[in-house]
This record gives sequence, structure tokens and C-alpha cells, in this order.
Amino acid sequence: EADIYQTPRYLVIGTGKKITLECSQTMGHDKMYWYQQDPGMELHLIHYSYGVNSTEKGDLSSESTVSRIRTEHFPLTLESARPSHTSQYLCASSDSGVPQETQYFGPGTRLLVL
Amino acid sequence: GESVGLHLPTLSVQEGDNSIINCAYSNSASDYFIWYKQESGKGPQFIIDIRSNMDKRQGQRVTVLLNKTVKHLSLQIAATQPGDSAVYFCAESFSGSARQLTFGSGTQLTVLP
Repeated sequence: EADIYQTPRYLVIGTGKKITLECSQTMGHDKMYWYQQDPGMELHLIHYSYGVNSTEKGDLSSESTVSRIRTEHFPLTLESARPSHTSQYLCASSDSGVPQETQYFGPGTRLLVL
Repeated sequence: GESVGLHLPTLSVQEGDNSIINCAYSNSASDYFIWYKQESGKGPQFIIDIRSNMDKRQGQRVTVLLNKTVKHLSLQIAATQPGDSAVYFCAESFSGSARQLTFGSGTQLTVLP
């Protein structure tokens, strides 16, 4: 069982609100990722980090931002939520010291923007 | 870009039967493959992985087969149980992509009583 946590698990919020999705891992992994997933569909990488103070945009364009001030913490922020942001957001982490760098996922946050 | 795709979006099997879920990948440089299981309302859970220097790898009730010639990956689940009902994703990576994963669209496995 991977030790990676996400809060909140579910969030219903109105348009224009600022939100932060939390992700923490206790495995000491240096790499962390955020994916967006619509129900039953593939995962799309929106942000990743190679370590503290490192953040990169993924393949899928996103209006969200991330920060990596501590190794274990990788929050994702939406400054102004819109209905198009409604989706599931999955956080993952991996250890670059392991050759295959297997990614382990958190439980996800389901976001509904009204 | 490169893609990983699944042949069948849904699969229904009788409890106790074996399940086979297929996956095609297009990047010949991929050297590492993972199968994830995602239950409703949860994040993907690691099931089994395989490196490109192997053709077969077995776990508990699961076997992954890799055919590099035709770029095909399969997940076999023995004696399928109701708890196996979930969406299954394959994912690929290679060292040149900084080990970023490319996911397929998933197969919904339903186990019938």
C-alpha cells in the first residue's frame, strides 16, 4: 500500500473560487506528479516535479499551478475555478533512485465546479 | 505523440474464469510497462510490471505477457473474483522520457456471478 494522501477527497465549489488540492507522501520520493482524469478515461499529466523547487508543466494544458517547497508536499492550486475544471485529480510519486521509477497513486480528489 | 491503447473498452467474465486484458503500444523505445487497477472512486493501484528484457512475469493470480515484436501487452487474471471488477490501465515508459508514463484509455472488467 502506497503512503500517498490527497485532501479533500471530494469538493463542490462555485465558479470563480480559489482552491488548493493537497497531496502528501511519506515515502521520501523525489518525483511527484499531478494527473487529470475524466471518468473511465485515460490519465493526462498536468504537472510534475523532480524535487524541491522543481516544477514542470505536463502534456495537458492546465490553468492550475503547483509548488514544491517540501519533498513530501505537492499542492495544486486553481486561482479561479470554472465548470471546465470539473474532473478527478490524481497525485502520484516515484523514486528516481529505482531504475523503473514506478509511480504510486493517491486516492484522488473529485472536483465539481458549479 | 506516442500512445498506448487498449483493444477492448469493456470485458465481462464469469466468476472463476480467467480474464485476459490486452494492450497495444506504439513506442518501440518503451522499455518498462505497468498494469494498474482502478476501482470506482479510488486512485490507480499498481498490480504488476515488466521490463522489456522479459517476456512474461507472474504475480499472485496475475500474469503479464509482453510481445515486443508486435508491441503487445496482456494481463491475465486467473480465477477471476468479484473483487477484480475495476478499470485496468496499461502504461509505458522509457528512459528518454524521464520515465514519464503514457496511459491507455482503460478496460472495464466486470465479473458476473
